[in-house]
Amino acid sequence: KQEVTQIPAALSVPEGENLVLNCSFTDSAIYNLQWFRQDPGKGLTSLLLIQSSQREQTSGRLNASLDKSSGRSTLYIAASQPGDSATYLCAVGWAGANNLFFGTGTRLTVIP
Amino acid sequence: GAVVSQHPSRVICKSGTSVKIECRSLDFQATTMFWYRQFPKQSLMLMATSNEGSKATYEQGVEKDKFLINHASLTLSTLTVTSAHPEDSSFYICSASQGVEDTEAFFGQGTRLTVV
Repeated sequence: KQEVTQIPAALSVPEGENLVLNCSFTDSAIYNLQWFRQDPGKGLTSLLLIQSSQREQTSGRLNASLDKSSGRSTLYIAASQPGDSATYLCAVGWAGANNLFFGTGTRLTVIP
Repeated sequence: GAVVSQHPSRVICKSGTSVKIECRSLDFQATTMFWYRQFPKQSLMLMATSNEGSKATYEQGVEKDKFLINHASLTLSTLTVTSAHPEDSSFYICSASQGVEDTEAFFGQGTRLTVV
């Protein structure tokens, strides 16, 4: 069964800290992995997309890595800001299935 | 990135009525659209996959007669919640892709449905 797990479920850090969010998935036959941000009551904002052939992607203060063999991805946020407070979702696309499988998310709170 | 427009963003309806949610891809042709549902404090769960011009494929446990999906064109898919009940209150999000692996999925902004 294809599953996506995110740990921790919630994380609270003081402003300025660097932090790492974790995502693990069963079955290494993925074709891509996406990280999303979701603000309360809002839709999804795509942050980073990593194709199966890539090991990492960077956008500004965000860096996402992918290790297919171990079934893991991490989202690194540098110099966190209060505006980064949101729920971060990891979603995996598996070969043969066009839809995405979502993790349960990590709710991040950055304290000013 | 490509834009997917979902409408309405918020709707309140009476129990027993039907509600239609639209999902449009504005600048690309979406051969495949997906409908997800998100209950409070839970992750998104796929409800159904729709391919243009054919019947939608529903996930196990999703009633196809209750959640009617139409994908009549390459830029529009609709989800109709028929005879809505309070337990259908949820956040519904659509996504669209060109239906080919290794392409990015683009999401609408979601619809908050409240059935009273």
